[in-house]
Amino acid sequence: NAGVTQTPKFRVLKTGQSMTLLCAQDMNHEYMYWYRQDPGMGLRLIHYSVGEGTTAKGEVPDGYNVSRLKKQNFLLGLESAAPSQTSVYFCASSYRADTEAFFGQGTRLTVV
Amino acid sequence: GENVEQHPSTLSVQEGDSAVIKCTYSDSASNYFPWYKQELGKGPQLIIDIRSNVGEKKDQRIAVTLNKTAKHFSLHITETQPEDSAVYFCAASISNYGQNFVFGPGTRLSVLP
Repeated sequence: NAGVTQTPKFRVLKTGQSMTLLCAQDMNHEYMYWYRQDPGMGLRLIHYSVGEGTTAKGEVPDGYNVSRLKKQNFLLGLESAAPSQTSVYFCASSYRADTEAFFGQGTRLTVV
Repeated sequence: GENVEQHPSTLSVQEGDSAVIKCTYSDSASNYFPWYKQELGKGPQLIIDIRSNVGEKKDQRIAVTLNKTAKHFSLHITETQPEDSAVYFCAASISNYGQNFVFGPGTRLSVLP
């Protein structure tokens, strides 16, 4: 059982480049989340989705876009990468807001 | 919106001693409080959770207590072992449609042999 899978695991971008991070879950979860993790700042929510076709802004949404065209996939896009977006990105999914969230292994993104 | 504070930010204990991490939350409507453990290079994993209709929950060496009136909850690890060394996150959530988890900033626990 794969759980939550993130691709890619590592990426280096130049300032101004764009990229898409893919998150896939095989648990038929309704809720999916994208977090970024920076030293000393814990997990900050970027965007989340409460079902196929829905998205909502989290705490730090600026500079990111998301799409949930299929229930099992949640895509995070960076249109024009900036050095401030250097971080480790985690995707998670859960059945409801009050049930266990399962996390992927993370994507380490460096913007130079 | 919800705000979760967590203390201490770092904690060192001797192997075999107990460790306690405390969190406070701001939204009295929050009713689900999970604790996650994150090992180096991995994603966070749930270790225990508690709901607002329960005051305490225990799973082997790990326990969580919740004080709804004071809006704080704590993680207790007894008989600590080196493999308990990790970063621990508390979180709060509301079981209403459209809500999401809010995490504390984390506690780095080091268990010294």
